[in-house]
Amino acid sequence: QQPVQSPQAVILREGEDAVINCSSSKALYSVHWYRQKHGEAPVFLMILLKGGEQKGHEKISASFNEKKQQSSLYLTASQLSYSGTYFCGSVNFGNEKLTFGTGTRLTIIP
Amino acid sequence: DAGVIQSPRHEVTEMGQEVTLRCKPISGHDYLFWYRQTMMRGLELLIYFNNNVPIDDSGMPEDRFSAKMPNASFSTLKIQPSEPRDSAVYFCASSFERTSWTEAFFGQGTRLTVV
Repeated sequence: QQPVQSPQAVILREGEDAVINCSSSKALYSVHWYRQKHGEAPVFLMILLKGGEQKGHEKISASFNEKKQQSSLYLTASQLSYSGTYFCGSVNFGNEKLTFGTGTRLTIIP
Repeated sequence: DAGVIQSPRHEVTEMGQEVTLRCKPISGHDYLFWYRQTMMRGLELLIYFNNNVPIDDSGMPEDRFSAKMPNASFSTLKIQPSEPRDSAVYFCASSFERTSWTEAFFGQGTRLTVV
């Protein structure tokens, strides 16, 4: 079952913050976050496994709620290099299917 | 390691022709995934393998699509006959362990155009 991402697109000025949300109707085993630049392959950012977990990567961090049905990706003080499409990927209990949401296109303008 | 290697990078074919996409996963990775990416449908999981065995092919759109993994270092995705609606970017990805707790590494993709 595909996770639901929002918003579909965000336009920010350099230095602004953004939040991207990912939700599932069922509790997940884990949630992944990837970024894809135009014309390139998706690149792994981070994975969250535990309910209530928060994890950071430079100025990019993510959380996983206690029920393991919602995750958010936080981009702080955005840089031009953050532009791209962000995907959350979900893995359900009992299998290894990594299923992606529809993506959030992030555009950073100077 | 060179990463996940896909070939060809671009393929243009005529409707009705057979198309074969190839993937070499990262050495030692147990899981291999085939995805299709389009603007309308995003990144769709087509099939995944564990230790060369197909585990879930529920995402394969039609019988025209087939995938094999004859050994740990090679997989193919075949479309026969191809149709214009198959035009997409096809990604192969591999992971060392279960994707429940580890990342997937993507190849650079094959851009398929069926005319």
